Amino acid sequence: GAGVSQTPSNKVTEKGKYVELRCDPISGHTALYWYRQSLGQGPEFLIYFQGTGAADDSGLPNDRFFAVRPEGSVSTLKIQRTERGDSAVYLCASSPTGTGGEQYFGPGTRLTVT
Amino acid sequence: QKEVEQDPGPLSVPEGAIVSLNCTYSNSAFQYFMWYRQYSRKGPELLMYTYSSGNKEDGRFTAQVDKSSKYISLFIRDSQPSDSATYLCAMTSYGKLTFGQGTILTVHP
Repeated sequence: GAGVSQTPSNKVTEKGKYVELRCDPISGHTALYWYRQSLGQGPEFLIYFQGTGAADDSGLPNDRFFAVRPEGSVSTLKIQRTERGDSAVYLCASSPTGTGGEQYFGPGTRLTVT
Repeated sequence: QKEVEQDPGPLSVPEGAIVSLNCTYSNSAFQYFMWYRQYSRKGPELLMYTYSSGNKEDGRFTAQVDKSSKYISLFIRDSQPSDSATYLCAMTSYGKLTFGQGTILTVHP
């Protein structure tokens, strides 16, 4: 079946602009996760949804970052007033349960803030 | 100190070698342990997923967990050039994954 998909694959934006990154999880997966990966590092957790609600948003770095999952499927990560330090690969993962194991990742969105 | 420590390598081995990749962790609450493989400019791919201490085998891959020592390993037998990638260990108590830094592996023919 289809895996996790993310759009766009690449996004270049100017400092101060607003961006939206989209994630389509595997059909039927109730849990959805966002991570951020900088070059040479492992992914770092941002936020986790169980259904429509954010179960854990402790990884969001500041209030410029926000994510939604209004119908319990597709999720959008929103970044306001982008900064050069936001440049990274943003990864989405989904899981059939909320226990944390068996998370399946999408290809990521490479965000570059100039 | 990071919750999960992984030797970043890089590690270079000849084709056919046995590869050992390792991680240590400090959080006793971690219950699930995973290994991911990540090719350049791709998302991480789940290789192995274990819950309890002991060994789990899948083809050429064996995952080992020692909760008493807070140590996990991934062994790759008969390594192939196609195994060249970054290997990430990851673990969780509930929900979010905590990753190691990743080990870059190159298998040369």
